[in-house]
Amino acid sequence: EAAVTQSPRSKVAVTGGKVTLSCHQTNNHDYMYWYRQDTGHGLRLIHYSYVADSTEKGDIPDGYKASRPSQENFSLILELASLSQTAVYFCASSVAGANYAEQFFGPGTRLTVL
Amino acid sequence: GDSVTQTEGPVTLSEGTSLTVNCSYETKQYPTLFWYVQYPGEGPQLLFKVPKANEKGSSRGFEATYNKEATSFHLQKASVQESDSAVYYCALSDHNNNRIFFGDGTQLVVKP
Repeated sequence: EAAVTQSPRSKVAVTGGKVTLSCHQTNNHDYMYWYRQDTGHGLRLIHYSYVADSTEKGDIPDGYKASRPSQENFSLILELASLSQTAVYFCASSVAGANYAEQFFGPGTRLTVL
Repeated sequence: GDSVTQTEGPVTLSEGTSLTVNCSYETKQYPTLFWYVQYPGEGPQLLFKVPKANEKGSSRGFEATYNKEATSFHLQKASVQESDSAVYYCALSDHNNNRIFFGDGTQLVVKP
């Protein structure tokens, strides 16, 4: 029933390895977002997308890539994981074009890079 | 650019006491203002939103008034409960590109 799901829910990765975080939404929303959450920094936007096969950079895109193969799916890719990318990652979705649109969040993925 | 500043946490209260979390914002447009709540182990969820200046939003006993003149949106609750323990985020919308700008969050700890 959950409208935004993320997988995996937690992951341990090695420095220099490749990590892919996946997000799936059943809200039929055009917009999807990836945020990272660190203590003391709140939610910071990494990448977002408003249509399939297109992505946009957010505020902290360095070291991350994103992929939107369909309206429902949005992935975050760390090609060379680093210690500094240890964080909790959230995916969200929202409708397009409404000036009061809220974002609906997934449960998060806890990533630990060793 | 757009930004949100809110009370730095953690805020620790006893059950039954009142809560105020301050939120101030900066923007050149006319945003919608939001309060989100995040319980442990979950993603943030909308508490309530207010799209128009001088209007009040409320949910679950929490309320906030969109004060355009003071650029503020302070969260208040008259009597907190242990179940209110969570992180609270103040946020504003950017209508140009469907973005929401979040404050750093305020952790609330309510002791029985």
